[in-house]
Amino acid sequence: SYELTQPPSVSVSPGQTASITCSGDKLGDKYAYWYQQKPGQSPVLVIYQDSERPSGIPERFSGSNSGNTATLTISGTQAMDEADYYCQAWASSTGVFGGGTKLTVL
Amino acid sequence: EVQLVESGGGLVQPGGSLRLSCVASGFTFSNHAMSWVRQAPGKGLEWVSAISGSGASTYYADSLKGRFTISRDNSKSTVYLQMNSLRADDTAVYYCAKDKDEVVPATMDYWGQGTLVTVSS
Repeated sequence: SYELTQPPSVSVSPGQTASITCSGDKLGDKYAYWYQQKPGQSPVLVIYQDSERPSGIPERFSGSNSGNTATLTISGTQAMDEADYYCQAWASSTGVFGGGTKLTVL
Repeated sequence: EVQLVESGGGLVQPGGSLRLSCVASGFTFSNHAMSWVRQAPGKGLEWVSAISGSGASTYYADSLKGRFTISRDNSKSTVYLQMNSLRADDTAVYYCAKDKDEVVPATMDYWGQGTLVTVSS
């Protein structure tokens, strides 16, 4: 079965750029999606189809996907961005999530 | 405003059954595929199942095939998840999600608040 791998944790200083990676076999041939989940809340879509931002998502969130790795980039990270982030892709019409990355802003 | 309200969760014994419902509003329900995603306590997200807008096509996680059944009633703007032969490791918060398109695969762009299913004796 298809697997997506994320680092368990990433730390960033306020105002700096955070990068969260997601690795999977030939992931670049698929669309990657990113979800943000804060404690006690439902997931929120922040990037879809590799690099598209839903309405209401700040411009500091961006995404890319090539080769075996998709990357979520948060520029000028703010304290409110501290959350768990999950990548997701579709493999043969089956959804697959990465294990999640806890972003700490300190 | 898109709203998704799940219900039907609760405590069930191992081997038991439960049917979850998700009532949608704020969009043309039949034009969108719907998905179920679960999250065990303290764990990550796990995709469970999806259904096309017409209901003609359904999709399941390999690990769940045969135990769970997804369906929808477009006249009631409701998607269901019938869960049978429940096990302790099915304990999780179950979220329903609206998909951006009518067909699967699609972007899960709105999520409900989730309903907790606890499987325990």
